[in-house]
Amino acid sequence: EVQLVESGGGLVQPGGSLRLSCAASGYTFSRYWMSWVRQAPGKGLEWVANMKEDGSEKRYVDSVKGRFSISRDNAQNSLYLQMNSLRVEDTAVYYCARASRTQREFWGQGTLVSVSS
Amino acid sequence: DIVMTQSPLSLPVTLGQPASISCRSSQSLVDSDGNTFLNWFQQRPGQSPRRLFYKVSNRDSGVPDRFSGSGSGTDFTLKISRVEAEDVGIYYCMQGAHWPYTFGQGTKLEIK
Repeated sequence: EVQLVESGGGLVQPGGSLRLSCAASGYTFSRYWMSWVRQAPGKGLEWVANMKEDGSEKRYVDSVKGRFSISRDNAQNSLYLQMNSLRVEDTAVYYCARASRTQREFWGQGTLVSVSS
Repeated sequence: DIVMTQSPLSLPVTLGQPASISCRSSQSLVDSDGNTFLNWFQQRPGQSPRRLFYKVSNRDSGVPDRFSGSGSGTDFTLKISRVEAEDVGIYYCMQGAHWPYTFGQGTKLEIK
């Protein structure tokens, strides 16, 4: 059974940093692109970042470029999102997703990041 | 960025009646191979999003056949032939043709 479990969310002050983790199990992690998608409270969905199977390609939405960094450890079956210079508008539930254009997709339950003073 | 526009944003439906959600993209979602990367997601209250359809009309595993996806180019539709109580939630279209991938605003389906 495929499982994606996010962790690392919490309350942080504006300008602070957090590192989110996503532990994957139930499939061969190294064979799939992985993504982070976020949802501000009561709002819609925003695709934040993507990373290729071997880490050779990364993509970010403009609103997080230069502040967020996606990475992965295929040996540990883990995906990460390093978030620096956090802003109030980064407050959201962050979902880890094994997204695919044609194969079955899987999403985690999400971890809440709150940026507030 | 490609803008995805859904209508209606609120959709009250009587149980057993049909429902339809429209989604329009600001640019064509067809790639050079002729694939159209338009997905539909369902988000039930308190749950993570779940993809229902990929490439317009390909139903994901476990999605009831009362759901259907259609459309081409820049205009797409999600239909539910007979709404059931478990269909309550927010529905999003999403384009995966061009980075950054973008979602529509969401359509909230509720039971009348």
